[in-house]
Amino acid sequence: AQKVTQAQTEISVVEKEDVTLDCVYETRDTTYYLFWYKQPPSGELVFLIRRNSFDEQNEISGRYSWNFQKSTSSFNFTITASQVVDSAVYFCALSAPRGKAAGNKLTFGGGTRVLVKP
Amino acid sequence: DAGVTQSPTHLIKTRGQQVTLRCSPKSGHDTVSWYQQALGQGPQFIFQYYEEEERQRGNFPDRFSGHQFPNYSSELNVNALLLGDSALYLCASSRQGEWDQPQHFGDGTRLSIL
Repeated sequence: AQKVTQAQTEISVVEKEDVTLDCVYETRDTTYYLFWYKQPPSGELVFLIRRNSFDEQNEISGRYSWNFQKSTSSFNFTITASQVVDSAVYFCALSAPRGKAAGNKLTFGGGTRVLVKP
Repeated sequence: DAGVTQSPTHLIKTRGQQVTLRCSPKSGHDTVSWYQQALGQGPQFIFQYYEEEERQRGNFPDRFSGHQFPNYSSELNVNALLLGDSALYLCASSRQGEWDQPQHFGDGTRLSIL
């Protein structure tokens, strides 16, 4: 069984502060994919970043960066210099497809609500 | 390039009724997944369709059923509605086999059961 845990329920910061969101996952599969999505009040889930299980290189994309550590099963996400428009619920998700016809269902964490105050 | 579209946006039903939600995938995508998101929780996987067949299913009762059409669009049907079925229903599309690529989500259908 797969499981994703986001221990932080809500984070409140002042604009321009950095925000780090924690994500811990569980899977027995050796090949898997991790994603971060953002959900603004409108409801649509917007894809942010992804990482596969065999690439632990951490990267930076604009104001987003992520830290993937297989040894601790963590996939943390950081927003640098936060802005009011970053206020949303952020979800970490795991996919571990088994074979081409098996499908790629996403297992989501419970989400972390980020509130950026001006 | 049209993204994932869902209809209707909002729906109000009463207990015991039946409902059908619709989804058109992003252009070029052939796989459709449905998720249920209760208030304050993360989305829960219902099922996934590819080549007009249900390929994977989450822990949802048989009251939840679906269909995929030759043009890849999909429907989610829920029978004998319960109060607990009140949620945001999200449709996502992807391309079969491209598992490293993200699923693209629609805006969802907000279903309220009275």
